[in-house]
Amino acid sequence: NAGVTQTPKFRILKIGQSMTLQCTQDMNHNYMYWYRQDPGMGLKLIYYSVGAGITDKGEVPNGYNVSRSTTEDFPLRLELAAPSQTSVYFCASSWGNEKLFFGSGTQLSVL
Amino acid sequence: GQQVMQIPQYQHVQEGEDFTTYCNSSTTLSNIQWYKQRPGGHPVFLIQLVKSGEVKKQKRLTFQFGEAKKNSSLHITATQTTDVGTYFCAEGGSNYKLTFGKGTLLTVNP
Repeated sequence: NAGVTQTPKFRILKIGQSMTLQCTQDMNHNYMYWYRQDPGMGLKLIYYSVGAGITDKGEVPNGYNVSRSTTEDFPLRLELAAPSQTSVYFCASSWGNEKLFFGSGTQLSVL
Repeated sequence: GQQVMQIPQYQHVQEGEDFTTYCNSSTTLSNIQWYKQRPGGHPVFLIQLVKSGEVKKQKRLTFQFGEAKKNSSLHITATQTTDVGTYFCAEGGSNYKLTFGKGTLLTVNP
């Protein structure tokens, strides 16, 4: 099992560009999450999904969009990138109210 | 989600010293999870506590959940350089969203 796979690992964007962060898991987890991590600030939930076709906002959803067309995939879309979106992004999955399995992260810089 | 406050924010110890990080909430927590993140890495699950007053041990790590389920602690006995990293507590709500504390960064001087 590969677990949770995120791509790309690093990306530099110019202000106003858009991109999609990919996340896939092979553990058949229903629950998937996107977090962002800023230095000294812990992890903040952007969006989450409790199953294919169902998504909901987390604590900091503005500037992002998600979709969940399959159980395995949960891409995060950034439209009109802004410097405030410079961060490390982690995708995670779980069975529910149990432990989260995290991907290795995407380091994004918006310049 | 509920807010969990974690202290201290930073802790530097000499190898062999003990270390404790605390997680506090103003409201009752349904459960608490602990994660460790090595520098440059991703968070890795350590343990979940569910019951009031629960104590769990993993080798040199001891995890406690308060009697009122409003606080939790992680204690490391005789730290080693491999313990370096950021330790996060996370509150698991009924809607399957985890709310993370800001973490405690532990550095260990060999």
